[in-house]
Amino acid sequence: DIQMTQSPSTLSASVGDRVTIACRASQSISVWLAWYQQKSGKAPKLLIYKASTLESGVPSRFSGSGAGTEFTLTISSLQPDDFATYYCQQYYSQWTFGQGTKVGIK
Amino acid sequence: QVQLVQSGAEVKKPGASVKVSCKASGYSFTDYNIHWVRQAPGQGLEWLGWINPDSGGTNYAQKFQGRVTMTRDTSVNTAYMELSRLRSDDTAVYYCERVGPDHDAFDIWGQGTMVTVSS
Repeated sequence: DIQMTQSPSTLSASVGDRVTIACRASQSISVWLAWYQQKSGKAPKLLIYKASTLESGVPSRFSGSGAGTEFTLTISSLQPDDFATYYCQQYYSQWTFGQGTKVGIK
Repeated sequence: QVQLVQSGAEVKKPGASVKVSCKASGYSFTDYNIHWVRQAPGQGLEWLGWINPDSGGTNYAQKFQGRVTMTRDTSVNTAYMELSRLRSDDTAVYYCERVGPDHDAFDIWGQGTMVTVSS
């Protein structure tokens, strides 16, 4: 099975900050990676698929990059609505998620 | 609009089975695979498997093979996930999702169904 490791597990940031979350795969997954946002008590929401393609309706302050085993989610200017937990997911071989990164208020 | 609506919360005893439903609307049900993911309280997301609503074909995560069964009823546009031999660590919110139109990430999610396993 392919393991996904996110870093950091938690981070504290302020509105307007640039935030970066990393995701590493245990083997190459090409560009078959998605990012999700989850708020407390809600289902996850798809933000990015195929490593860098923004899902329709998602604000452009979200961006994704990477290929192979190293990937990054960037929020260019953190907004109050962005405080949430973020998960990466590989779909190269079956489907597995990272452990999540909780973005909190500094 | 495109949506997946799941059945309500369940409380089960250890050793019992639970069957969760996921009703699709707003799109052609047989065109997209349905996946199931669960989330234990305060924990991350765990993939259980998928079903092809057109053929009925399934693919289960190895961890759940032998305990999970995914089915569908195309007459009511509904997918089902049944988990047997329940244990306390099966307590979780269970979600169904649809894969996207041109990729295999999950673009539409159900609202989740809380399954509590307790004696």
